[in-house]
Amino acid sequence: GENVEQHPSTLSVQEGDSAVIKCTYSDSASNYFPWYKQELGKRPQLIIDIRSNVGEKKDQRIAVTLNKTAKHFSLHITETQPEDSAVYFCAASKPGGYNKLIFGAGTRLAVHP
Amino acid sequence: GAGVSQTPSNKVTEKGKYVELRCDPISGHTALYWYRQSLGQGPEFLIYFQGTGAADDSGLPNDRFFAVRPEGSVSTLKIQRTERGDSAVYLCASSLGVSGSEAFFGQGTRLTVV
Repeated sequence: GENVEQHPSTLSVQEGDSAVIKCTYSDSASNYFPWYKQELGKRPQLIIDIRSNVGEKKDQRIAVTLNKTAKHFSLHITETQPEDSAVYFCAASKPGGYNKLIFGAGTRLAVHP
Repeated sequence: GAGVSQTPSNKVTEKGKYVELRCDPISGHTALYWYRQSLGQGPEFLIYFQGTGAADDSGLPNDRFFAVRPEGSVSTLKIQRTERGDSAVYLCASSLGVSGSEAFFGQGTRLTVV
């Protein structure tokens, strides 16, 4: 079955710096790759997603890139702010009419003022 | 409702007891998912419902776990003979019933088996 690996497990940056989180997936049939942000004790919330027919997607300070050949995708956060501090999860799912999301283990991002 | 609602938010039970966890999805969402999140890990898929039927239950760890969605809306995850290893946050999510549609998560139920 699908396996998603995520790196790094923890990331510490200074406010204003950029942060990059990387994920690799094993199943080449996967075609949907969302990123979720989870603050302590709260629900995971979708922040951006990308489908396999697109190589890059950007939403203000957040961007995601996808390399289908290498089976990896990355989250880029620019001009980080303390409120970006949270755990970020990548996930992958395959076509089939529903979203059986396989998640990475998460990256704990700390943005220091 | 405004989002996915899960009750209770916290549940402490003794080893060997039976528990039920409830999920109320977003109105109109035909797809409903249960995930389990252990400390420091990503959510792990348990089961998916499309309407009333369990279309994919491949993530249920064993036959102590069962879930229903009798009217295609509210779902209940049932765990029999609970074990300490069942302790985790159980997350419910719902979405439109098409691949690649956003899955909206509930706040989760934190289950602690003592």
